[in-house]
Amino acid sequence: DIQVTQSPSSLSASVGDRVTITCRASQSISNYVNWYQQKPGKAPKLLIYGASSLESGVPSRFSGSGSGTDFTLTISSLQPEDFATYYCQQTYRFPLTFGGGTKVEI
Amino acid sequence: EVQLVESGGGLIEPGGSLRLSCAASGLTLSKAWMSWVRQAPGKGLEWVGRVKSKTDGDTAEYAAPVKGRFTISRDDSQNTLYLQMNSLKIEDTAVYSCTTVNYGYDASNIWGQGTMVTVSS
Repeated sequence: DIQVTQSPSSLSASVGDRVTITCRASQSISNYVNWYQQKPGKAPKLLIYGASSLESGVPSRFSGSGSGTDFTLTISSLQPEDFATYYCQQTYRFPLTFGGGTKVEI
Repeated sequence: EVQLVESGGGLIEPGGSLRLSCAASGLTLSKAWMSWVRQAPGKGLEWVGRVKSKTDGDTAEYAAPVKGRFTISRDDSQNTLYLQMNSLKIEDTAVYSCTTVNYGYDASNIWGQGTMVTVSS
């Protein structure tokens, strides 16, 4: 199975900060990475698919990059509503796997 | 607007069976690729399985921990997706959500609110 390692597992940031979350795959997965945001008690929300394509309706302060084994999700200017847990997911090969999550806190 | 509503969760003893439902509105389920994802209490997301649309072959893939025990199916007349869960284990305890799958990257773009399954004696 392809392992997906997210880092950091949590981070503290302030409104206006630039935040970067990393996802590393155990083997090359081309650009088959999706990113999700989950708030407590809510269903996850798709932010980025195909490593860098922004889902419709998602603010442009979210961006994704990377290919091969290393991927990043960047929030250019953190807003109050962005405090949440973020997950990457590899969809290159079955079984599909999620990273362990990154909790973004104040 | 596409909406997914799961139901069928509850408390079940180890070894038991349960069938979860995912009622879809705003889309024709037979034409959709769908997945199930679960989340154990306080834990991260875990992919359970995915089924292609009927037009694309209606085949399913499953995660190793559930393969052979869980089956995804659908009832086109009810526009409902199912997850049949047999031989349930304590570690299957989780909120189960159905999602639509899109964009050629198996991206789960629409999620239901989830239904809780508790496996306990």
